Amino acid sequence: QSALTQAASVSGSPGQSITISCTASSSDVGSFNVVSWYQHHPGKAPKLVIYEVIKRPSGVSNRFSGSKSGNTASLTISGLQAEDEADYYCCSYVGSRTSYVFGTGTKVTVL
Amino acid sequence: QVQLVQSGAEVKKPGSSVKVSCKASGGTFNTYDISWVRQAPGQGLEWMGGIIPIFGTTNYAQKFQGRVTITADESTSTAYMELSSLRSEDTAVYYCAKVVADGFAFWGQGALVTVSS
Repeated sequence: QSALTQAASVSGSPGQSITISCTASSSDVGSFNVVSWYQHHPGKAPKLVIYEVIKRPSGVSNRFSGSKSGNTASLTISGLQAEDEADYYCCSYVGSRTSYVFGTGTKVTVL
Repeated sequence: QVQLVQSGAEVKKPGSSVKVSCKASGGTFNTYDISWVRQAPGQGLEWMGGIIPIFGTTNYAQKFQGRVTITADESTSTAYMELSSLRSEDTAVYYCAKVVADGFAFWGQGALVTVSS
């Protein structure tokens, strides 16, 4: 059972903004200060869209933004586009033993 | 630019082992931090373990301790993930990924491992 919980699905219309949340449900995730987000289209490799909570890798659209408050991290996609329809996963570094844990994943549907 | 190229699909019998390779190009391999992540059909992403060749250190998820071995060959810039005592639940796509600032920044194309009798 993942220590990071996400809503199973989120939907929005083109041009709208949506927010995906990732909640740490266990003290095992430590300080929850190193959170990354991945976009995953079926049949392709996942793609890093946010790292270190708020940073965006080179080449990733500025429509993607990250934030964190307490034990909940969030990914916001603004100006929703058809190509944003994918599964999204949060991930946290949890410590030297287990190292990383992924969230349960959220399916984003563009209506 | 970093590229990770993985070995091809495999079909294995229950109880056997599988070894998936991940050949890297771009950058200095022995300073890489390589992780392995899998996705079973209909399931989410799951971190299995990782290796940092320059330190010779490995780290495994508790779930896979004793069944997974991750190694690296610096002479060929290749990382390997071997999973033993395979069962049907290990049927999955296995990815290698290069870690940068605790994010999985570069990914291999994935290797489908099917466990079936």
